[in-house]
Amino acid sequence: KQEVTQIPAALSVPEGENLVLNCSFTDSAIYNLQWFRQDPGKGLTSLLLIQSSQREQTSGRLNASLDKSSGRSTLYIAASQPGDSATYLCAVSGGNEKLTFGTGTRLTIIP
Amino acid sequence: GAVVSQHPSWVICKSGTSVKIECRSLDFQATTMFWYRQFPKQSLMLMATSNEGSKATYEQGVEKDKFLINHASLTLSTLTVTSAHPEDSSFYICSAPWVGHNTEAFFGQGTRLTVV
Repeated sequence: KQEVTQIPAALSVPEGENLVLNCSFTDSAIYNLQWFRQDPGKGLTSLLLIQSSQREQTSGRLNASLDKSSGRSTLYIAASQPGDSATYLCAVSGGNEKLTFGTGTRLTIIP
Repeated sequence: GAVVSQHPSWVICKSGTSVKIECRSLDFQATTMFWYRQFPKQSLMLMATSNEGSKATYEQGVEKDKFLINHASLTLSTLTVTSAHPEDSSFYICSAPWVGHNTEAFFGQGTRLTVV
């Protein structure tokens, strides 16, 4: 059974700093990995999707990497802003379109 | 980007009544949609897989008679919470994978259900 873990559970950093969020998964036989953000009381917004054959994806200030063999992914946020404050979730798909979610990292950017 | 619309965003109902939540894929067709439940400060728990034209597949421990799912078209799935009780109060979220877009999953805005 796939298990996804995110560390840390919560993170506070001053505005302007770069930061890294971590995601690990136990079964490397994944189809893809997605990073989402969730604002309080809202749905999920897709940030980046990495196919199993890819190593990284970039969108603006966000960069996600994938090391399938070691079961790890990171989400790098450059030049953090207060608007980046949210909960970040990673999820892996085993190919049947079902997602297994991580526990989430609650990020707070301090102005 | 692709949009999945969920309605209503919040609902309050009395114990014993039923509530229907709609999930629509606006930009693409989805033969499969997923329904999740989220408890406060926790991650998403998959409840069931909604299959267009056939019965939904429920995860272990989810009562199929309480959470009725209907996927009547390629763009609409509904979740009906029947005979709701206060313990059914939760945040419900649907998602639809866009198969033609690397199977990227797109989520609805979520529905906050409060049963009084």
